[in-house]
Amino acid sequence: LAKTTQPISMDSYEGQEVNITCSHNNIATNDYITWYQQFPSQGPRFIIQGYKTKVTNEVASLFIPADRKSSTLSLPRVSLSDTAVYYCLVCNTDKLIFGTGTRLQVFP
Amino acid sequence: DTAVSQTPKYLVTQMGNDKSIKCEQNLGHDTMYWYKQDSKKFLKIMFSYNNKELIINETVPNRFSPKSPDKAHLNLHINSLELGDSAVYFCASSRIGTEPYEQYFGPGTRLTVT
Repeated sequence: LAKTTQPISMDSYEGQEVNITCSHNNIATNDYITWYQQFPSQGPRFIIQGYKTKVTNEVASLFIPADRKSSTLSLPRVSLSDTAVYYCLVCNTDKLIFGTGTRLQVFP
Repeated sequence: DTAVSQTPKYLVTQMGNDKSIKCEQNLGHDTMYWYKQDSKKFLKIMFSYNNKELIINETVPNRFSPKSPDKAHLNLHINSLELGDSAVYFCASSRIGTEPYEQYFGPGTRLTVT
């Protein structure tokens, strides 16, 4: 069963690029990798999803190496409002496993 | 317009009681989920329903029973509440498409069992 591991916390400053890595050594062939952002007292919010290589949208990039045993969420030029908990999720139609979450603190 | 709504937002009750949490989505999605987030912020899937059929049923006590009257609603009924049931419960929905696992989460229901 796929288990995901993330750093507990990270600190950054405004304007910097932040990379958060998630380890998922037992990922299955049909699993996708998805990342969510959660602010206090709110439900998680979808950021990005990928299967392999690189995916980019208007808010983030997701890098997935060929062996797919890890993935890296990249947030370009973070701002104070990016302070939140970030979760990676390994999922398919009958499995949804969230990581432990990484608390990102952005300082001015 | 609220996409995924849950009621109530807060629920305080005593051990042994039976309670329900309601969830509704107006996105036209065909899959709905219930998650439990504990005090350490771990998010764990409990159930998922696709078009009113149970798809995921993780190992949760059978005191928890999901009920889906139609594909826009997925309610969670909990019997004989225990202290360990205290948590935030999130409902979510998604549709199969380009981003099959893009889930929309509700605001959460904070359940406190005393």
